[in-house]
Amino acid sequence: NAGVTQTPKFRVLKTGQSMTLLCAQDMNHEYMYWYRQDPGMGLRLIHYSVGEGTTAKGEVPDGYNVSRLKKQNFLLGLESAAPSQTSVYFCASSASGRAHNEQFFGPGTRLTVL
Amino acid sequence: GDSVTQMEGPVTLSEEAFLTINCTYTATGYPSLFWYVQYPGEGLQLLLKATKADDKGSNKGFEATYRKETTSFHLEKGSVQVSDSAVYFCALSGQNTGNQFYFGTGTSLTVIP
Repeated sequence: NAGVTQTPKFRVLKTGQSMTLLCAQDMNHEYMYWYRQDPGMGLRLIHYSVGEGTTAKGEVPDGYNVSRLKKQNFLLGLESAAPSQTSVYFCASSASGRAHNEQFFGPGTRLTVL
Repeated sequence: GDSVTQMEGPVTLSEEAFLTINCTYTATGYPSLFWYVQYPGEGLQLLLKATKADDKGSNKGFEATYRKETTSFHLEKGSVQVSDSAVYFCALSGQNTGNQFYFGTGTSLTVIP
């Protein structure tokens, strides 16, 4: 049982390049989330999904797109990377939308945009 | 809207010292409250949680009590170890927000021998 995995672990992009971050979970969770973590700002929600085929915007969605074609996968895309998107990205999943459910986190992807 | 305010760090303690990290929240209804821990280079791990008022969450010697009257969920440990060095995040999941979490800014703890 791997839990939540993220690919890749590190990436360096040039401004304007595109990339996709992959998140996979093997816990059959309905909800999945993408966060970014910046120094002194905690974690901020980018997008989330409440089930296969659904996506919704979080607190900081601009410059990102997401897709949830399969229940176990949640993809985060950057169409035209900017230096402001340099951050550590975390994926998380939870069993349902109930408030008491914990979120399970992946190990993170460290992205640098030059 | 819902939010969490967490004690700023960094915090440096000697081994076996007492730890308190303050966390207060703003929310409508009855949220669930969580403490997560992040070790260097890793993702966040659930440390403990409480889902209703007066509940006490505990794990690995850490404790936190859900105080609705003071809207607080302070993290405590009686005797810290070097291995407790990490960043600690307080988080809230609102009653009607679909398990969307709101995180504090994190408190970095360093324990020195």
